[in-house]
Parts: sequence; C-alpha cells; structure tokens
Amino acid sequence: AQSVTQLDSQVPVFEEAPVELRCNYSSSVSVYLFWYVQYPNQGLQLLLKYLSGSTLVKGINGFEAEFNKSQTSFHLRKPSVHISDTAEYFCAVMLTGTASKLTFGTGTRLQVTL
Amino acid sequence: DGGITQSPKYLFRKEGQNVTLSCEQNLNHDAMYWYRQDPGQGLRLIYYSQIVNDFQKGDIAEGYSVSREKKESFPLTVTSAQKNPTAFYLCASSISGVRDEQYFGPGTRLTVT
Repeated sequence: AQSVTQLDSQVPVFEEAPVELRCNYSSSVSVYLFWYVQYPNQGLQLLLKYLSGSTLVKGINGFEAEFNKSQTSFHLRKPSVHISDTAEYFCAVMLTGTASKLTFGTGTRLQVTL
Repeated sequence: DGGITQSPKYLFRKEGQNVTLSCEQNLNHDAMYWYRQDPGQGLRLIYYSQIVNDFQKGDIAEGYSVSREKKESFPLTVTSAQKNPTAFYLCASSISGVRDEQYFGPGTRLTVT
C-alpha cells in the first residue's frame, strides 16, 4: 500500500523568505502526486499536480514542486512567501491506473509572520 | 458558478443519533468521495463512488453509509455505530475517477456530544 510522509508538522517563516515543505512517499507502483492547500475551516484547493513529463511543476500562487523518483520525494517550494500563504498544506498520492483514490499526508502548517 | 456544496457548515447531534451530511455538485463529475479530517491525521477516505448506484468502501468505512441515486448527490450518513464521529467531513468530486484531480467542498464540522 502507498503512504505519504510530511515530516514537518509546522513550518514558521518570515514574510518574503523562501520556504520548502517536504513530502516523501512510498509505493511499489507509479504514482501521481498532488499538493493541496487548506485555509482555516475551508475545503482543499489544488496547488499543483505531477502526472508525467517535466519533473518541475509550477502551480498557483507562485508555488512549484519537483518530483524526484530516486528519492521518492515531491517537495513544495516558494521563493518568497506572503502572510496570505499561512495555511495547512497537504501532499497526496494516487496510484496510476486505478480509481483515483488519494492518500494524504498528515499536513504541514505554514505560519508566515512579519 | 459550478462547484460543490455541503450543508450545513456546522452540525450538532446527541450521541446515539444517526445524522446525514449533504453533498451536491453541479460540475457534471462522475466520481464523488467522502473524507474525514481529524487534527494531525490528514484526510482519510470513507467512501467513494465512480458511477451512479455504485460505491466502494474506503479506509475507514465502519459506522458510515452512503447512497448515490443521482449523479450530482452523494449523502453520507454517520450512524450511531461510529465510535468517534466528531470530525470535519469533506466531500470531493472528480471528472472520471481515474487520474483526475479532486475538487473539494467547504466541509461540514460535526460535533456529537
């Protein structure tokens, strides 16, 4: 069975600083990878996804992620964060060729301060 | 505007009562999903449906039931058999159920006392 690990439960960062949120996965078959963002008491919004092709994926709000198959990682990065980026971020995997069931990590709380 | 609606936003029930959470989508998506979210545990899949009149158990289906009589609707019933029902419940949908991203509703926060 597949699993997702987000090692950092909380990441504090100052505004305009760069940030990286880490995501590692385990799976015996190929996967699709997703990053979602959740603002307090709201649903999830897709930031970006990797299905195939270029391993560097650009998403909304200036975020990007890089798929590294050898390290089974899909870390999320932003070169300069804003206060409005404060939210919970979830990494998720989906097995290829199956019903699109997502397996989520436990989330990383990004706290941006002045 | 197309999207997913969940009602109500907040729901309170007494222990031992069944409660049904509503999920409606007007995106014309075939697949729909129910997740449960608890602090520090991420989202866990309860049930999913890829087509009308068919659904499958997810990872934590015990104590829950669903129906899919219409393409746009996928209600979730939290039964009295669910030992710890207090949680944030999220409904999602996707175009075909294979490879597609999922779109999420705003969620329903259920509190059982």
